[in-house]
Amino acid sequence: EAEVAQSPRYKITEKSQAVAFWCDPISGHATLYWYRQILGQGPELLVQFQDESVVDDSQLPKDRFSAERLKGVDSTLKIQPAELGDSAMYLCASSLDGLGAGELFFGEGSRLTVL
Amino acid sequence: GDSVTQMEGPVTLSEEAFLTINCTYTATGYPSLFWYVQYPGEGLQLLLKATKADDKGSNKGFEATYRKETTSFHLEKGSVQVSDSAVYFCALSNTGGSYIPTFGRGTSLIVHP
Repeated sequence: EAEVAQSPRYKITEKSQAVAFWCDPISGHATLYWYRQILGQGPELLVQFQDESVVDDSQLPKDRFSAERLKGVDSTLKIQPAELGDSAMYLCASSLDGLGAGELFFGEGSRLTVL
Repeated sequence: GDSVTQMEGPVTLSEEAFLTINCTYTATGYPSLFWYVQYPGEGLQLLLKATKADDKGSNKGFEATYRKETTSFHLEKGSVQVSDSAVYFCALSNTGGSYIPTFGRGTSLIVHP
């Protein structure tokens, strides 16, 4: 069964360091999402891609976060410099067309701890 | 903006008990509604969905009915099992707006034998 792949599963870093997360969506899925999930809360959208284009990044802290999906397939989310408040689970999800009624398929997430 | 409100957890039940997890939403347009489940150590996965008013979504013994008049999508199961222990997220996707999926904060369910 096709899955959304994410790496690394766990990342521990010190504040002010750079971190990067990678996501490979299900083949053929045009829409890719990065969510941040703080412990005890629901996922919050950081950025949504349709193919290689950003659809919405209004909640992405652009002074330190960046995201790209250069060829419209896999994607990288970067944080530089990391801050203590960035400790969270970073979830990647994909969907077939992003038109709202479809299912999102999630990866297992990347858990970031900033010391 | 669009939002989803879920009942606070944890919800603690004995096996075979009846489950209700409340979910209400605020949205313009005509949202689709979803329940996702996150088992320990795993990613979120879709449990059920409903795309229009009065639709009932169902899967694995869970049900939820899209009630436009009360803006609700409560999750129910007649007889829970220990294996149902997980975090349940209510979500909406506003097909009349930006399509961006919005999630509630999640409700933890703990089922004891």
